Amino acid sequence: DIQMTQSPSSLSASVRDRVTITCRASQTISSYLNWYQQKPGKAPKLLIYAASSLQSGVPSRFTGSGSGTDFTLTISSLQPEDFATYYCQQSYSTPRSFGQGTKLEIK
Amino acid sequence: QVQLVQSGAEVKKPGASVKVSCKASGYTFTGYYVHWVRQAPGQGLEWMGRIHPNSGGTNSAQRFQGRVTMTRDTSISTAYMELSRLRSDDTAVYYCAREVGVPARGLDVWGQGTTVTVSS
Repeated sequence: DIQMTQSPSSLSASVRDRVTITCRASQTISSYLNWYQQKPGKAPKLLIYAASSLQSGVPSRFTGSGSGTDFTLTISSLQPEDFATYYCQQSYSTPRSFGQGTKLEIK
Repeated sequence: QVQLVQSGAEVKKPGASVKVSCKASGYTFTGYYVHWVRQAPGQGLEWMGRIHPNSGGTNSAQRFQGRVTMTRDTSISTAYMELSRLRSDDTAVYYCAREVGVPARGLDVWGQGTTVTVSS
């Protein structure tokens, strides 16, 4: 099974900051990497698929990059609505493992 | 609009089974995998398995094998996830989600979640 490891587990930042979250796979997954945002009490929302493709309706301040085993999610200028928990997930093989999550909090 | 609507909250005793439904609308149900993901209180997302509604073929995470059964009824565009021999640590919100694309491009539509509480 492929293990996904995110860092950091939590992050404090301010509005208009640029933040980066990292996700590492235990083996190569090509570009089969997705990013989700989850707010308390809500279902996750797909932000980025195939490592760098922006899901329809998602603001362009979200960008994804990487391939192989190392991936990043960058938010270029944090907005108040971006404070949430972010998860990566590989769709290279089953089981479709998730990272443990990164909680983004207001500083 | 494309949506998945799940059944309501459940309270079960240890050792019992629970069956959660996920009704699809706004798209061709048989064209996309339906995945099941759960989230224990205060914890992260855990992938449980998937079913392809057209063939009925399933894959599940090893830790649930023998306890999870995923089925579907194409006549009513509904997928089901049944978890048996419930334990207290099965208390969680259970989500269904549609996987888009071949090759897979993520889980783009999610149900609202079903809270399952296991308590004696």
